[in-house]
Amino acid sequence: EAGVTQSPTHLIKTRGQQATLRCSPISGHTSVYWYQQALGLGLQFLPWYDEGEERNRGNFPPRFSGRQFPNYSSELNVNALELEDSALYLCASSSAPKGGLNYGYTFGSGTRLTVV
Amino acid sequence: SQQGEEDPQALSIQEGENATMNCSYKTSINNLQWYRQNSGRGLVHLILIRSNEREKHSGRLRVTLDTSKKSSSLLITASRAADTASYFCATVPNQGGKLIFGQGTELSVKP
Repeated sequence: EAGVTQSPTHLIKTRGQQATLRCSPISGHTSVYWYQQALGLGLQFLPWYDEGEERNRGNFPPRFSGRQFPNYSSELNVNALELEDSALYLCASSSAPKGGLNYGYTFGSGTRLTVV
Repeated sequence: SQQGEEDPQALSIQEGENATMNCSYKTSINNLQWYRQNSGRGLVHLILIRSNEREKHSGRLRVTLDTSKKSSSLLITASRAADTASYFCATVPNQGGKLIFGQGTELSVKP
């Protein structure tokens, strides 16, 4: 069974540009979660998606946006990139059925975004 | 925002010793989970303990949960150099939603 896959592995962008990060969950997982891990700041949750709907965007501004496709894969877009957006972006999926809570997440290997 | 605080931030031990990491959290939880991260890559799920459980074991891992103190500990027994990684606790709030992570403990096991 393929795990959670993320692409690209590394991405270098210039300040002001847009970045698109992609994630494919494990087959059968319908919930996709995004986390930003900047150096020294731990994992901050980004908007997450459950059966195509955005559930919570946390503290991130509107220039962080995303969507989930009918096959449950997800895209995270970051517009007007700023230097502090440089981080490891991790995607995770869960097998939890609707309303289920006692399930672990499976993480992808991440996309390392560097804004110069 | 972060739910958990982990202690210590960094821990360095010799191979064969036990490693204990602690996690405290703020709100009522449904469950608490521990994850491991190698070299800034993806996280690997280690163990989940439900709010009505007090202790759980998995191989060399032992997790305890004290909901009255809102704290948990992860014990790795007979540590190996390959256990070197960052370890994170994460909680699922009672009302559901996504995992909220602590800041992590960086464990270094010297051969």
